[in-house]
Amino acid sequence: EIILTQSPATLSLSPGERASLSCRASQNIVRNLAWFQQKPGQAPRLLIYGASTRATGVPPRFSGSGSDTEFTLTISSLQSEDFAIYYCQQYNNWPPGRTFGQGTKVEIK
Amino acid sequence: QVQLVESGGGLVKPGGSLRLSCAASGFVFSDFYMSWIRQAPGKGLEWLAYVSPGSHTIYYVDSVRGRFTISRDNAKESLYLQMDSLSAEDTAVYYCVREGLYSYDTSASVHWGQGTLVAVSS
Repeated sequence: EIILTQSPATLSLSPGERASLSCRASQNIVRNLAWFQQKPGQAPRLLIYGASTRATGVPPRFSGSGSDTEFTLTISSLQSEDFAIYYCQQYNNWPPGRTFGQGTKVEIK
Repeated sequence: QVQLVESGGGLVKPGGSLRLSCAASGFVFSDFYMSWIRQAPGKGLEWLAYVSPGSHTIYYVDSVRGRFTISRDNAKESLYLQMDSLSAEDTAVYYCVREGLYSYDTSASVHWGQGTLVAVSS
């Protein structure tokens, strides 16, 4: 099973600041990685797939980078609506299954 | 637009059973892989099971294999999850998910329903 490790667990930043979230895979997953945003009481929303491609309607302040085992989600200038939990998901060995990281909470400092 | 609407959640006693349903619309349901993903209260996301477009391939995570059964009815554009031998550890919000960006694609979990809460308690 491929394990995804996200860091940090919590990121405390102010609006307008830059956020960098890390996701590390236990095996090479090429670029088969997605990022999701989840707000309280809502379902996760796909932000990024293929490590760096923004999903439909996602603002350009969100960008993804990386390959193989190291990936980063960057939010260039945090807006109030960006404070949420972010998850990475690998789909390199699917089937049989997918795995998620444990999440990074981006909170207001 | 793509819509996924789950139903069937509720309170069930340990050892009991529940069947979740998901009504899909806005896309060609029979062309897409579908999954169930759950989230325990205050916890992260756990992918549970998927079914291929024609139901030829089904896979489960170890924690639910033998207890949960995923199925689909393409004519009714519906996805199901039969859950048996439930325990408190199964308490979670259960999401119906369309996999892939286009027909037969196996990339990311693209579209999610709003979820249905399953609570297992005596």
